[in-house]
Amino acid sequence: QEQLVESGGGLVKPGGSLRLSCGASGFSFSDHYMSWIRQAPGKGLEWISWISSSSSHTKYADSVKGRFTISRDNAKNLLYLQMNSLRAEDTAVYYCAAERGRFLNPWGQGTLVTVSS
Amino acid sequence: QSVLTQPPSVSAAPGQKVTISCSGSSSNIGNNYVSWYQQFPGTAPKLLIYDNNERPSGVPDRFSGSKSGPSATLGITGLQTGDEADYYCGTWDTSLSAWVFGGGTKLTVL
Repeated sequence: QEQLVESGGGLVKPGGSLRLSCGASGFSFSDHYMSWIRQAPGKGLEWISWISSSSSHTKYADSVKGRFTISRDNAKNLLYLQMNSLRAEDTAVYYCAAERGRFLNPWGQGTLVTVSS
Repeated sequence: QSVLTQPPSVSAAPGQKVTISCSGSSSNIGNNYVSWYQQFPGTAPKLLIYDNNERPSGVPDRFSGSKSGPSATLGITGLQTGDEADYYCGTWDTSLSAWVFGGGTKLTVL
């Protein structure tokens, strides 16, 4: 079945860096735009970035622009999110999701990023 | 502050019907398809409704969606305690070139 699995989360100090990965299986990863969405503790969903199927186009939310970089490796069915200059307000569960043009599906199980000293 | 507006909470008794509203604008809901996501505590969001009113395979027909202009509605009939979850509406925003979501609605089945 279609599946996404995130990894790479953890505890990091303010100003630090972390790289998240998202592995895809069960569908044609290279055909789909992909997004990262995060959810701070007790809060709602916040879209933060998307990347086109060929990596030619990317977009970021203002909250992460200039600090986060989305990328992908279609040969390995992997999506990445490089997060630099992390702040306490970046603490959240990070989800990857496949774009179907009009909706997001599937979603990964999420990986928790905690930014704290 | 979410781009789409949802009520923070709704509640109803088992067996009853509930609706959850989602309000946006012409740059998002008004000109794009709406999807709804169901999220249980500690788990990832799951697609519940897509293309305004379509249900993925496996979603009971107790769940329905509709859209009118810049607003959308999720309806749930025959409420069950197992429906207690957070529900999010989502859509593409043409002006932002980004996905936008509502703030989420917590459903309580009394």
